[in-house]
Amino acid sequence: EVQLVESGGGLVTPGGSLRLSCAASGFIFSGHTMNWVRQAPGKGLEWVSSIGATGTDTFYADSVKGRFAISRDNARNSLYLQMNSLRAEDTALYYCSRDQPFSNFDLWGQGTLVTVSS
Amino acid sequence: DIQLTQSPSFLSASVGDSVTITCRASQAINNYLAWYQQKPGKAPKLLIYRASSLQSGVPSRFSGSGSGTEFTLTISSLQPEDFAVYFCQHLHTYPLSFGGGTKMEIK
Repeated sequence: EVQLVESGGGLVTPGGSLRLSCAASGFIFSGHTMNWVRQAPGKGLEWVSSIGATGTDTFYADSVKGRFAISRDNARNSLYLQMNSLRAEDTALYYCSRDQPFSNFDLWGQGTLVTVSS
Repeated sequence: DIQLTQSPSFLSASVGDSVTITCRASQAINNYLAWYQQKPGKAPKLLIYRASSLQSGVPSRFSGSGSGTEFTLTISSLQPEDFAVYFCQHLHTYPLSFGGGTKMEIK
């Protein structure tokens, strides 16, 4: 089955760190750029970060640049998001998604919830 | 950075109606625009890509048009399952971004 499954979310205090994972199956993971998108409770979608198929090229939203790091392990069909210096405004449901170049995000996981609160 | 402005942000319509949602980009993005539908508690679902191409499995009552800076999503003959939130997204250059969303409710 073609799917993405996120994990690693949870409750963390401000300033803390968390590492999200996304396990891919049913498609050639190493052939796709992958993305993280988040959605704060009751809000819209916010693109967070993207990583090219080989892992060489990475891109970040200004809101997370310098604090978050995206990575991937093509041998394990896995995508990661290391989140440091977390803030209350990072509280959101984090989705991983598969990229079709210049076209769309055609496959999404179910999301993993990150709550930053003291 | 490219900003996307969606309008309206809220739409009230009836089953059987035809509705149009607009997405305006702050600069030209060719046809690198996608539309998504999101229902409560669910991940976004791709409807339209490259401004006007219908994703496989999506009903033909959904259509998209536009190029450059102005784009539209039209849903003809609304069905009960179409009441949801709709987002546009540009994929022209990084940073990518989404529109603010259009929440469609039953009148």
